[in-house]
Amino acid sequence: QKEVEQDPGPLSVPEGAIVSLNCTYSNSAFQYFMWYRQYSRKGPELLMYTYSSGNKEDGRFTAQVDKSSKYISLFIRDSQPSDSATYLCAMSRSNDYKLSFGAGTTVTVRA
Amino acid sequence: DGGITQSPKYLFRKEGQNVTLSCEQNLNHDAMYWYRQDPGQGLRLIYYSQIVNDFQKGDIAEGYSVSREKKESFPLTVTSAQKNPTAFYLCASRPGTVNTEAFFGQGTRLTVV
Repeated sequence: QKEVEQDPGPLSVPEGAIVSLNCTYSNSAFQYFMWYRQYSRKGPELLMYTYSSGNKEDGRFTAQVDKSSKYISLFIRDSQPSDSATYLCAMSRSNDYKLSFGAGTTVTVRA
Repeated sequence: DGGITQSPKYLFRKEGQNVTLSCEQNLNHDAMYWYRQDPGQGLRLIYYSQIVNDFQKGDIAEGYSVSREKKESFPLTVTSAQKNPTAFYLCASRPGTVNTEAFFGQGTRLTVV
């Protein structure tokens, strides 16, 4: 079993829809959670960073962490064609340099 | 501008050759990482370094080598022992371990010809 599970999709939604992405994990020691967006043939760029449980909002993006369920989510409101990309979740333990990544979910927003 | 610079963007390697991928950061970050990305497999950790002159193997270190002689530089050598080197290679850096996120370079696409 992988440490971090993420459905690879692909996920296709119409413009303006809410995109819902999620990852599950098995290691309860994970404390720091990140979401990255990666366009084709480019490096991942950080979208959201959260610590422990709770919600964090930044513009059209909302990240949720539910540590009791070992489940994290990313919501994209009012999706745009420019949101079409692969979204990667990542997480790490406290005082640990290693990051664990999900496989990434490919999202297409149709105009 | 602060950031992580990977070079070259595209690299071609003949069978049996060693090649070195460059990664430089001017963010003053302590930790640096090398990942390999293949279609459908996400990011797999090759090596990482927490401090100058120290580095640790990741999950797929066989056939790769690294050095960390300077804080800002973490080059990756893909040796001839790596049997399937064609992939997208990503370098990342991170300030420390507590309350910090990782930042990535733009990647190097390595192809064996």
